[in-house]
Amino acid sequence: GQSLEQPSEVTAVEGAIVQINCTYQTSGFYGLSWYQQHDGGAPTFLSYNALDGLEETGRFSSFLSRSDSYGYLLLQELQMKDSASYFCAVRGYNFKFYFGSGTKLNVKP
Amino acid sequence: SAVISQKPSRDICQRGTSLTIQCQVDSQVTMMFWYRQQPGQSLTLIATANQGSEATYESGFVIDKFPISRPNLTFSTLTVSNMSPEDSSIYLCSVERRGQNTEAFFGQGTRLTVV
Repeated sequence: GQSLEQPSEVTAVEGAIVQINCTYQTSGFYGLSWYQQHDGGAPTFLSYNALDGLEETGRFSSFLSRSDSYGYLLLQELQMKDSASYFCAVRGYNFKFYFGSGTKLNVKP
Repeated sequence: SAVISQKPSRDICQRGTSLTIQCQVDSQVTMMFWYRQQPGQSLTLIATANQGSEATYESGFVIDKFPISRPNLTFSTLTVSNMSPEDSSIYLCSVERRGQNTEAFFGQGTRLTVV
């Protein structure tokens, strides 16, 4: 089966840096993705790691360690609009996506 | 990217009835995925819809309750049958794009309330 764990909630202030961790157990692994979802909206893609290391996309970076079954999303220069839920997702067996429980990020002024 | 049109966006239904949700994609895709999301919760994969074959269901979901059609490479429907209040949720269809990144794209979801 598939199991992904991430913190339920994180609070940070504008301009700060926050890291959201994700540990996973999966049968078959083809990559770790991160998605952002605002209240009432659909999830939108942020980043994807198929190989170990750091991927940087603007203010967002994502890291993967396959040997540790671990990854994280790093958000820099936080803005109020970053307040949302963030989901890690594993692309596993049969190429399906399985999502973590989600981390609610609260950005305060 | 992929543009996905999903309808209805929301509905309120009586228990015991059925609702069919439609998902239209702007380009041909091999696999379409159906998810359920309780408010404030994660996305749970219901089934994978492949054109020309039976949908494959995840543990805990059965075809009699969630029949799926996939008549062509750009369209799919999910029916929530014999609804009960426990079926109240957001239902999302999704497709993936493989390239430099492998991304999942989502429709805007159908917010279902069963009364």
